[in-house]
Amino acid sequence: TQLLEQSPQFLSIQEGENLTVYCNSSSVFSSLQWYRQEPGEGPVLLVTVVTGGEVKKLKRLTFQFGDARKDSSLHITAAQPGDTGLYLCAGGVPGNTPLVFGKGTRLSVIA
Amino acid sequence: KAGVTQTPRYLIKTRGQQVTLSCSPISGHRSVSWYQQTPGQGLQFLFEYFSETQRNKGNFPGRFSGRQFSNSRSEMNVSTLELGDSALYLCASSRVEETQYFGPGTRLLVL
Repeated sequence: TQLLEQSPQFLSIQEGENLTVYCNSSSVFSSLQWYRQEPGEGPVLLVTVVTGGEVKKLKRLTFQFGDARKDSSLHITAAQPGDTGLYLCAGGVPGNTPLVFGKGTRLSVIA
Repeated sequence: KAGVTQTPRYLIKTRGQQVTLSCSPISGHRSVSWYQQTPGQGLQFLFEYFSETQRNKGNFPGRFSGRQFSNSRSEMNVSTLELGDSALYLCASSRVEETQYFGPGTRLLVL
């Protein structure tokens, strides 16, 4: 069974601080997706990474896929209250196989 | 382009009842997946439909069922509701083996 472990589970920081959240597995994935979910809503896709070592930037968010395609990180620079939410990573494999989701990191950015 | 829509958004039922949830995918998306999200277990895959056929099924009891119509709209049904079925039920649509886009979810409360 493929599992994705996310850490930390909870994170509470002050506005303006930097943070990194992690998504780790012992399995290899062909793609890794990051979602942000706000209370009462569905997850919204932030980025998909598919190549080992790939780095993608989305404004203040930087996503990295590990060289071995077993892990990923999300770094947020100068966090803002609008970044508050549940961050989920999901791994994909080729073929008709469902995405594997981590349990998420719940981020709270305090003004 | 309209996003994934789910109805109803909120639902209160009592134990033993049954419930039907509906999902309309993004136009052109033929794959619809259903997930159950709870605070303790995170996002758990229920099943996936493609071209009116169930293509994958998660580890849930037979009380959970679904179907997909020729226009790609999908429904899921839960019979003989239990307290533990209280959760956010999410639907996601995609083109074949591409990024999934989630709806806002249906929050089910079983009393």
